[in-house]
Amino acid sequence: DIVMTQSPATLSVSPGERGTLSCRASQSVSTNLAWYQQKPGQAPRLLIYGASTRATGIPARFSGSGSGTEFTLTISSLQSEDFAVYYCQQYNNWPPLTFGGGTKVEIK
Amino acid sequence: EVQLVESGGGLVQPGRSLRLSCAASGFTFDGYAMHWVRQVPGKGLEWVSGISWNSGSIGYADSVKGRFTISRDNAKNSLYLQMNSLRAEDTALYYCVKDIASTDFYYMNVWGIGTTVTVSS
Repeated sequence: DIVMTQSPATLSVSPGERGTLSCRASQSVSTNLAWYQQKPGQAPRLLIYGASTRATGIPARFSGSGSGTEFTLTISSLQSEDFAVYYCQQYNNWPPLTFGGGTKVEIK
Repeated sequence: EVQLVESGGGLVQPGRSLRLSCAASGFTFDGYAMHWVRQVPGKGLEWVSGISWNSGSIGYADSVKGRFTISRDNAKNSLYLQMNSLRAEDTALYYCVKDIASTDFYYMNVWGIGTTVTVSS
């Protein structure tokens, strides 16, 4: 199984600052990687697929990059509604589909 | 409006069974693969099982293989998860989730609100 590792576990950022989240795969997943955002009490929401393509309705301040085993989600200027938990998920090799452990973005 | 509504969760004793259901609406159900994803409160996401549009491709996490069975009824726009031999570690919020593809498993673009399963004596 492909293990997805996210870092840091918690990212403390001030509103308006840039946030950079990392996701590493235990083996290459090409660009078959998605990012999700989950706010408290809500289901996850798709942000990015194909490592870098924003899903419908996702603001341009969210961007994804990377390929192979190293991926990054960047939030260029954090807004109050962006404080949440973010998960990466690989879909290159399945079953199983696998998620990272998540990065919590909190207000500094 | 695209919608997934789960039901069937509850409190069950270890070793017993439970069947989850998911009612889909607002999209062509038989055009997409579907999944169950679970989340222990305060913890991360775990893919449990997936099924292609025609049930021709099915997959399970090792943690549930041999105990859980996923199925779908396209005529009823419904997804199911039969959970047998339940364990305390199966306690979680179970999400019904829509894939973007029909045959293979990719990423997920529609999530239900979840149904809670608690396994305890």
